[in-house]
Amino acid sequence: ELKVEQNPLFLSMQEGKNYTIYCNYSTTSDRLYWYRQDPGKSLESLFVLLSNGAVKQEGRLMASLDTKARLSTLHITAAVHDLSATYFCAPRGSNYKLTFGKGTLLTVNP
Amino acid sequence: NAGVTQTPKFQVLKTGQSMTLQCAQDMNHEYMSWYRQDPGMGLRLIHYSVGAGITDQGEVPNGYNVSRSTTEDFPLRLLSAAPSQTSVYFCASSYGVAGIEQFFGPGTRLTVL
Repeated sequence: ELKVEQNPLFLSMQEGKNYTIYCNYSTTSDRLYWYRQDPGKSLESLFVLLSNGAVKQEGRLMASLDTKARLSTLHITAAVHDLSATYFCAPRGSNYKLTFGKGTLLTVNP
Repeated sequence: NAGVTQTPKFQVLKTGQSMTLQCAQDMNHEYMSWYRQDPGMGLRLIHYSVGAGITDQGEVPNGYNVSRSTTEDFPLRLLSAAPSQTSVYFCASSYGVAGIEQFFGPGTRLTVL
């Protein structure tokens, strides 16, 4: 059974600072998703990482995947208030099922 | 394309009542799934389907039934609602098991009294 540990669960940042969210998973996965969720809204796809060493960047967010370490990171560069949201990682395991982390609630303060 | 649609958006039930949450997609996606989201728990998979006529259980299937008679629709049935089923329910779909993108519906907020 695939287990996912995401940390931190809560992150309060100042604007302009950098930080990293970590996503560890327990068994083999063929891909990993990162999602953003705003309060009361659905999930918005940010990145899909398909192979070891994959790195994707969009604006101030960069995601990477190390399948050997079973670790993905979401790096935030020079945070701005608009990035405040909850971020989820979700590796895909057997039978094509996604297992979600508990989410990181990010608050960016001026 | 309307994408993934869910109805209703909000629902209040009494314990023991039954109801069906509707999910439909117009993208001809083979893979559809249902999740529930509870505070601090992330999303948990309830049931999923890899194509019409094929369904399987996810992590938390008890108390829920699904069927997939068409490619477009994947309804979730609560047989006898319990307060523990108070949650936000999301439906998702993708183009086959190799599909890269998972598209999520807007969600149904269910309260069971």
